[in-house]
Amino acid sequence: ILNVEQSPQSLHVQEGDSTNFTCSFPSSNFYALHWYRWETAKSPEALFVMTLNGDEKKKGRISATLNTKEGYSYLYIKGSQPEDSATYLCAFRQAGTALIFGKGTTLSVSS
Amino acid sequence: DTGVSQNPRHKITKRGQNVTFRCDPISEHNRLYWYRQTLGQGPEFLTYFQNEAQLEKSRLLSDRFSAERPKGSFSTLEIQRTEQGDSAMYLCASSSTSGAGNNEQFFGPGTRLTVL
Repeated sequence: ILNVEQSPQSLHVQEGDSTNFTCSFPSSNFYALHWYRWETAKSPEALFVMTLNGDEKKKGRISATLNTKEGYSYLYIKGSQPEDSATYLCAFRQAGTALIFGKGTTLSVSS
Repeated sequence: DTGVSQNPRHKITKRGQNVTFRCDPISEHNRLYWYRQTLGQGPEFLTYFQNEAQLEKSRLLSDRFSAERPKGSFSTLEIQRTEQGDSAMYLCASSSTSGAGNNEQFFGPGTRLTVL
């Protein structure tokens, strides 16, 4: 059974803090790793799709890294803002298979 | 809005009733996926279509669940004889197998089902 683990489950930071989350996935038969941001009452929003070992992607204050050999990805948020409050989901995919999601990390940013 | 849409957004039903949800994907996307998210879990794959063909079904999709995509555009997910354990958020996503998008999936806002 393929399993994707995310940590921490939740965290609370102050506005301006930088933070990071971890996603662990099986290192065999890797195809892609997806990060989504899901705000309450909205659609999950695609942040990154990462396919190559060593990939680093950036979108504004959010960046992600990928290590397919050891099976982990980090998501970083620099200078957290209240609008960053959301659940961050990672999803792992092998070739020809559906996305396998972790349980998510719920971030709360206080002003 | 040209994103993925789902209707209804919320559905409350009594145990034993049938319910049907609709998903309208992004128009040029040929793949459509259904996921279910229960409390405290991440979304779990149920089934997907490429055009009108249903190519894969999860073991989570019991006989009471049926999905269709008759013309390769919108899709419906029907649950017959609902049970309290069916209470969940049902998410739809679509993607395109052409282009350089790495088959990225775009999600709708979901339909939240509550079975009383």
